[in-house]
Amino acid sequence: LAKTTQPISMDSYEGQEVNITCSHNNIATNDYITWYQQFPSQGPRFIIQGYKTKVTNEVASLFIPADRKSSTLSLPRVSLSDTAVYYCLVGANQGGKLIFGQGTELSVKP
Amino acid sequence: GAGVSQSPSNKVTEKGKDVELRCDPISGHTALYWYRQRLGQGLEFLIYFQGNSAPDKSGLPSDRFSAERTGESVSTLTIQRTQQEDSAVYLCASSLAANSYNEQFFGPGTRLTVL
Repeated sequence: LAKTTQPISMDSYEGQEVNITCSHNNIATNDYITWYQQFPSQGPRFIIQGYKTKVTNEVASLFIPADRKSSTLSLPRVSLSDTAVYYCLVGANQGGKLIFGQGTELSVKP
Repeated sequence: GAGVSQSPSNKVTEKGKDVELRCDPISGHTALYWYRQRLGQGLEFLIYFQGNSAPDKSGLPSDRFSAERTGESVSTLTIQRTQQEDSAVYLCASSLAANSYNEQFFGPGTRLTVL
């Protein structure tokens, strides 16, 4: 399974756009890239998933370059409630085994 | 419909005792996963089920850990002769099928404390 690398922590202010980049140099052809969000004392929650190019939903955008060796989660106009840990995952097509790294702890300040 | 539920929400036990943790997945989800999260750490994969079978048990830390699933529904994670290093939050998730492009829905977790 491809290993991922992302910043340990990031700080931002309310109303700013936040971009969290994840490196996954060994991504396999059939791997999807998925991001989860985890608030304290809760289980992780799916945010967005993509395979290539750009994916956008009501919560975030995911940018994936052509070589797919990295991906960037973009959170528009963050609020205090976006303070959480964000995990980038790259999983195989079978089994759904998700390997969670340390994640990025995002702190949004007023 | 209801999400993934887990019980108990908190469990305090003494070293050497056995514990059972329960997970009720979303109805119709064929895949079920168990993870462990130590304080301040990311999630550690333990085991997953496709139906009632466990194709991948590679994450179980030792033979003191076991899990079963019945009726393609409820799953139980059992830890025998608990040790202090077993203290963690145990999270269960379910998905429509066992592949990485199906969203995993997580339960609230069981916080296990071994004294």
